[in-house]
Amino acid sequence: ETGVTQSPTHLIKTRGQQVTLRCSSQSGHNTVSWYQQALGQGPQFIFQYYREEENGRGNFPPRFSGLQFPNYSSELNVNALELDDSALYLCASSWGDEQFFGPGTRLTVL
Amino acid sequence: RKEVEQDPGPFNVPEGATVAFNCTYSNSASQSFFWYRQDCRKEPKLLMSVYSSGNEDGRFTAQLNRASQYISLLIRDSKLSDSATYLCVVTYSSNTGKLIFGQGTTLQVKP
Repeated sequence: ETGVTQSPTHLIKTRGQQVTLRCSSQSGHNTVSWYQQALGQGPQFIFQYYREEENGRGNFPPRFSGLQFPNYSSELNVNALELDDSALYLCASSWGDEQFFGPGTRLTVL
Repeated sequence: RKEVEQDPGPFNVPEGATVAFNCTYSNSASQSFFWYRQDCRKEPKLLMSVYSSGNEDGRFTAQLNRASQYISLLIRDSKLSDSATYLCVVTYSSNTGKLIFGQGTTLQVKP
């Protein structure tokens, strides 16, 4: 196991609701990246946090936002959920080149 | 055009077969290259990095052709346990940059 944990494992929401997903990075890792993986697709980069600051963002609207805390754990918040937000949300922590993925949160939007 | 393109497959092969996956990337500024493996409903895990000189790890061989912007993965003597989705990944930065994933190629190894 990578030591990266995510919660919850599964979540069901309805359109228009808001959701917060959580990620605890591997010990000593100061960088957390978030990815969205739709069914049958590769993961798509959402954003990255380095030492509590956003350090790069992919092509996602502002209703996707995040935080990183002093202990390097992180949150992904999604407002005004849409059906297309249904996906596996992965976080990955890193110190050097290699990114270690958590098991993901599977979000279903009805 | 997608930044990283892969044939999604599925590739159905018998045990013991040799199978090759190909991947192309569009940005010539890409710096680092990887193959990740993802089992069904699990997270991606790094299989191997890919270097210009080519590299081998047991039954797995990865090749990079920068001029053609092409990456390959060869699996020899396929095992049932090799059944998974193989994701081609590039980055624009060699240090914790964003990972750009291909769609993934599904391999099913049959007895």
